[in-house]
Amino acid sequence: KAGVTQTPRYLIKTRGQQVTLSCSPISGHRSVSWYQQTPGQGLQFLFEYFSETQRNKGNFPGRFSGRQFSNSRSEMNVSTLELGDSALYLCASTKGYRYGYTFGSGTRLTVV
Amino acid sequence: DQQVKQNSPSLSVQEGRISILNCDYTNSMFDYFLWYKKYPAEGPTFLISISSIKDKNEDGRFTVFLNKSAKHLSLHIVPSQPGDSAVYFCAARDAQRQKSGGSNYKLTFGKGTLLTVNP
Repeated sequence: KAGVTQTPRYLIKTRGQQVTLSCSPISGHRSVSWYQQTPGQGLQFLFEYFSETQRNKGNFPGRFSGRQFSNSRSEMNVSTLELGDSALYLCASTKGYRYGYTFGSGTRLTVV
Repeated sequence: DQQVKQNSPSLSVQEGRISILNCDYTNSMFDYFLWYKKYPAEGPTFLISISSIKDKNEDGRFTVFLNKSAKHLSLHIVPSQPGDSAVYFCAARDAQRQKSGGSNYKLTFGKGTLLTVNP
């Protein structure tokens, strides 16, 4: 079965721009979470969506937002990009509390 | 405040020997612990997990031990193979239920340990 698909794989943006990243979870998985990975901070939780509702949010500024569609696909948006937003953004999906989390390969965002 | 800590940024072992990766946590509300393996330019891959009601879980060459009183878990890889060389993250899940009635799906990760297995 298909895994978690993230698009695009790589992205280069300039400061001040905005970006939208996409995540298609495994079929049947209704929970989608987003994480930011940077060399200094490791993987940090951004937010989690379930049935089109944000259920959990990490400690990131309001420039980071997301949404989930009825087919469970999710998008993450970052506005007014800063150099420090350069990171690997990972999406993970799960079908329930007792099950594991499957990660996508990530989107590598570089802000110049 | 880092709730999940992997104090060793790197570990180097010889092929065939045991690799022991350690992780400490501070939040007593964590109820489930997971280990992930990550290669460069790829997403983390789930390895093994353990519930807080257990103290050991084994899957092939991988064994995870949990010491709740010490808030410490470890991953043992025996025997280690060169293909095991990767960054290993431990992660913990919070048991808090949401006001909406749903469950908390947030994972808190350590910063990772780079394991190098030398042939």
